[in-house]
Amino acid sequence: GAVVSQHPSRVICKSGTSVKIECRSLDFQATTMFWYRQFPKQSLMLMATSNEGSKATYEQGVEKDKFLINHASLTLSTLTVTSAHPEDSSFYICSARFGGELPRAEQYFGPGTRLTVT
Amino acid sequence: KNQVEQSPQSLIILEGKNCTLQCNYTVSPFSNLRWYKQDTGRGPVSLTIMTFSENTKSNGRYTATLDADTKQSSLHITASQLSDSASYICVGKTSYDKVIFGPGTSLSVIP
Repeated sequence: GAVVSQHPSRVICKSGTSVKIECRSLDFQATTMFWYRQFPKQSLMLMATSNEGSKATYEQGVEKDKFLINHASLTLSTLTVTSAHPEDSSFYICSARFGGELPRAEQYFGPGTRLTVT
Repeated sequence: KNQVEQSPQSLIILEGKNCTLQCNYTVSPFSNLRWYKQDTGRGPVSLTIMTFSENTKSNGRYTATLDADTKQSSLHITASQLSDSASYICVGKTSYDKVIFGPGTSLSVIP
């Protein structure tokens, strides 16, 4: 199946600094990628939808100036958490949509990035 | 309102036993329903996908069912293994490409 990678898998940063997380589709081109956040023992919550070459669409309640998303190519989307605070500590997961006409297109998830802000 | 509910919230079973996880969904207009397995600290991996016309689908020891009339789905795991310990997430998708995640069922398989 299609492979989606994330880097880094785990990051610890100090409060007030910015962190960039990369999401890559390794063997297919993804015009659309999604960013999710998952808190312990909770399900995934969609943060934003990233479309190649255009601005991301953010879900209600997600600060677009705090969570910067760039989808510069068909295989790479980045999420930058700016001025991170301890409450931003979470598990961030990206997914990439592959193949077929909507709504049959498959979503493949990355392995996730564990962010800890101290 | 689109929503997906799952039960039980958590489950502990002995290795080798079977189990069934439940999912009730309100997804409109309905497109498909997927079951994902998420290992701790990893991203979800798709197990099965079912559309309106499909009422059962198997993937190895995993068998998913779908009842479009009652809007219920189940995931049956046979001959459980320790590696089946994970969170199982039921996900509904609308025809407008909106994805609704269930809260997941945490399964622990013990020796």
